[in-house]
Amino acid sequence: EIVLTQSPGTLSLSPGERVTLSCRASQSVNSNSLTWYQQKPGQAPRLLIYGASNRATGIPDRFSGSGSGTDFTLTISRLEPEDFAVFYCQHYGRSSWTFGQGTKVEI
Amino acid sequence: QVQLQESGPGLVKPSQTLSLTCTVSGDSISSGPYYWSWFRQHPEKGLEWIGYIQYSGIIYYNPSLRSRLTISADTSKNQFSLMLSSVTAADTAMYYCARARYYVSGYGVDVWGQGTTVTVSS
Repeated sequence: EIVLTQSPGTLSLSPGERVTLSCRASQSVNSNSLTWYQQKPGQAPRLLIYGASNRATGIPDRFSGSGSGTDFTLTISRLEPEDFAVFYCQHYGRSSWTFGQGTKVEI
Repeated sequence: QVQLQESGPGLVKPSQTLSLTCTVSGDSISSGPYYWSWFRQHPEKGLEWIGYIQYSGIIYYNPSLRSRLTISADTSKNQFSLMLSSVTAADTAMYYCARARYYVSGYGVDVWGQGTTVTVSS
């Protein structure tokens, strides 16, 4: 089973700042199996990025994903007030799906 | 517009079986390439994948839950269900049903239910 480790645990930032979130896999994974979600309090997660770098429908272009092998990154080029949330990476394995523990982006 | 709605008891006694149903509208659970999935989230914790039933009927479970878990589908009602036996307080969580899909270049859950809170307590 792939273990995903996200860092940092919490980021305290201001609107307008650029943010980079890390997701590291315990072993090399196929890029098309790495996905990012955003979750706000009291809401279900929202799909942001699939296949490591493809924005989901309706996701603003300030969100971008990159990476390969064991190291993946979610970047928000310029934080908007509505972006403050918890972000999770997820691996879609052949027989098991796993999540990172999440990174909280707070004001 | 595809919508998913969880239903089931909000309170389950320890050692009993937790049963939830997800009703899908706006799409057929027999259509592909979708994975009709269950996730949960413990209070103030991260997300955990429980398992899925694929449009073709293939089922996969989280290895840590496999011995207690059954996922099934009723295509006539366009529903899929979760049964988790021998529950303990550690199974108290928000449970989500969701539709995961395969894109040409990746996977993702594009539709989520609103979630239902299940508490295990006597």
